[in-house]
Amino acid sequence: DGGITQSPKYLFRKEGQNVTLSCEQNLNHDAMYWYRQDPGQGLRLIYYSQIVNDFQKGDIAEGYSVSREKKESFPLTVTSAQKNPTAFYLCASIDLGGEAFFGQGTRLTVV
Amino acid sequence: DQQVKQNSPSLSVQEGRISILNCDYTNSMFDYFLWYKKYPAEGPTFLISISSIKDKNEDGRFTVFLNKSAKHLSLHIVPSQPGDSAVYFCAAGSPHGQNFVFGPGTRLSVLP
Repeated sequence: DGGITQSPKYLFRKEGQNVTLSCEQNLNHDAMYWYRQDPGQGLRLIYYSQIVNDFQKGDIAEGYSVSREKKESFPLTVTSAQKNPTAFYLCASIDLGGEAFFGQGTRLTVV
Repeated sequence: DQQVKQNSPSLSVQEGRISILNCDYTNSMFDYFLWYKKYPAEGPTFLISISSIKDKNEDGRFTVFLNKSAKHLSLHIVPSQPGDSAVYFCAAGSPHGQNFVFGPGTRLSVLP
């Protein structure tokens, strides 16, 4: 089945640690996105990539980093520089028609 | 400044009635609009889309209306069902994935 997979579903991080969230898609989409959702704030764009080996910062990129070495994979690293990392993170890929397909999300909690 | 606005954070509707969710945008370059539905702790799922060359698109119980001059779109759900209770996000952008912008969402509650 084609789709987009995020893992893990729940993630706990100690303060000061970096952590990487996985996002994999087998939809052959070029464009992939990372969003963060906080209560009452909808989806805010962190980073996006429209082609392998290229990515751009979104609205709230500070404290995050990404890579796009393969078309299928767009991992997001939450670094220790991110001041408030506890949130629900969503990965999406978008087809040529503009329809976005979302993963199930990763809930990150800093303990 | 938000480019996509959903001014109603929540909406309650009786089962069987019509639900109308509204969305306004400010960027006249947007030419493709989508609605997503989201349940708690899950990723959003696509509902319906409309391109700027149309003013209406219908799919079963869901209809999206676009008023380009007013930069306004709305999602109508008729008849509303309890399973429609979720958060609905409006999104705007261009078909080739240029920085899709999402609204803050509207929480719909359909009461039995």
